[in-house]
Amino acid sequence: NAGVTQTPKFRVLKTGQSMTLLCAQDMNHEYMYWYRQDPGMGLRLIHYSVGEGTTAKGEVPDGYNVSRLKKQNFLLGLESAAPSQTSVYFCASRGGVRTGANVLTFGAGSRLTVL
Amino acid sequence: GENVEQHPSTLSVQEGDSAVIKCTYSDSASNYFPWYKQELGKRPQLIIDIRSNVGEKKDQRIAVTLNKTAKHFSLHITETQPEDSAVYFCAATTGRYNFNKFYFGSGTKLNVKP
Repeated sequence: NAGVTQTPKFRVLKTGQSMTLLCAQDMNHEYMYWYRQDPGMGLRLIHYSVGEGTTAKGEVPDGYNVSRLKKQNFLLGLESAAPSQTSVYFCASRGGVRTGANVLTFGAGSRLTVL
Repeated sequence: GENVEQHPSTLSVQEGDSAVIKCTYSDSASNYFPWYKQELGKRPQLIIDIRSNVGEKKDQRIAVTLNKTAKHFSLHITETQPEDSAVYFCAATTGRYNFNKFYFGSGTKLNVKP
């Protein structure tokens, strides 16, 4: 049981390049989230998903796209990276109504630098 | 949407002293308030949480209090130890049977000096 796994852990991009961050969870969780963490700004929600095939915008969705084609995977895409997207990205998941689980389980984080 | 403010941003205490971190929220419909601890280079992990129908909750050296009228909640750590040094985040969320969005505060860096 690996919990929440994020890949890659580190990535350096040039402005305008695209990339995808992968989040995988093996806990059969319904809900999945992508957050970015910047100094002094805490964790800000980018996008989230309440189930397979669904996605919704969070607080700071601009410049990002997501997909949840399989229940266990939640992908975060940057179509045209900008220096303002330099950050540490955390994926999180939690159980749904049936499990009653409110605890967010976080991945280890992905550090992205855009030059 | 919800707005969660957290204070102070940094807190230094002597080992054995108490530490208090405070958060306020804006949405009166918020009804679940977790606290996460993030050690350096690690992922955030839940340490304690409280629902809106409870005023206080304790777990050994940590406790959380909630004042719904004033819309603020606080984390209390007693008898602090060096291993308590970390960044602490408060969060608020709403939902009658389930919670969708978790809104986090900006974090408090706690330094416990031996």
